[in-house]
Amino acid sequence: SQTIHQWPATLVQPVGSPLSLECTVEGTSNPNLYWYRQAAGRGLQLLFYSVGIGQISSEVPQNLSASRPQDRQFILSSKKLLLSDSGFYLCAWSEDRGHQETQYFGPGTRLLVL
Amino acid sequence: GQQLNQSPQSMFIQEGEDVSMNCTSSSIFNTWLWYKQDPGEGPVLLIALYKAGELTSNGRLTAQFGITRKDSFLNISASIPSDVGIYFCAATGGSYIPTFGRGTSLIVHP
Repeated sequence: SQTIHQWPATLVQPVGSPLSLECTVEGTSNPNLYWYRQAAGRGLQLLFYSVGIGQISSEVPQNLSASRPQDRQFILSSKKLLLSDSGFYLCAWSEDRGHQETQYFGPGTRLLVL
Repeated sequence: GQQLNQSPQSMFIQEGEDVSMNCTSSSIFNTWLWYKQDPGEGPVLLIALYKAGELTSNGRLTAQFGITRKDSFLNISASIPSDVGIYFCAATGGSYIPTFGRGTSLIVHP
């Protein structure tokens, strides 16, 4: 069966520091991968998605970037964190079922920027 | 762009009551998905619907893919305290990017 991992689970970082959040998927190959941010427990905002190694699409301009160095690894980064980057970050994967995508989410990373 | 209108925004019910929530859209979709999110955790897929008119159950949960492909509902029967959480609908229609509803917050009083 497929599993998705995110780490760390919780992170407290000072403003201006770098960020690296990691997501890995097991039990599938060539998944579509996604990064979302969720504020105040509601509303999923799509940040990035990737349909293959090295292929990243950005949905919103921001202080963050994403990379996919391996088939089942997706990394969310920032060079300098802002207070507004605080939130709950969710990674998700999906299989291409021919126009019937089904997404599965990871456990999330709580980021607090102080 | 595509939007999902999810209602109600929140529900406060007594244990044992039935719950109904729905999502509607002006766009046609190929897939409807329902998730539950507990505080501090990622959303968990409850039910996936892939065919218009499809009615699917998962324990006390029942969901239907509307015949027009523009709506879906989720029912929970005989609610229990552990049903508390935020329920999200999502739909996909030929792209890699699902559209999500804004969620229904469910509180169950024992």
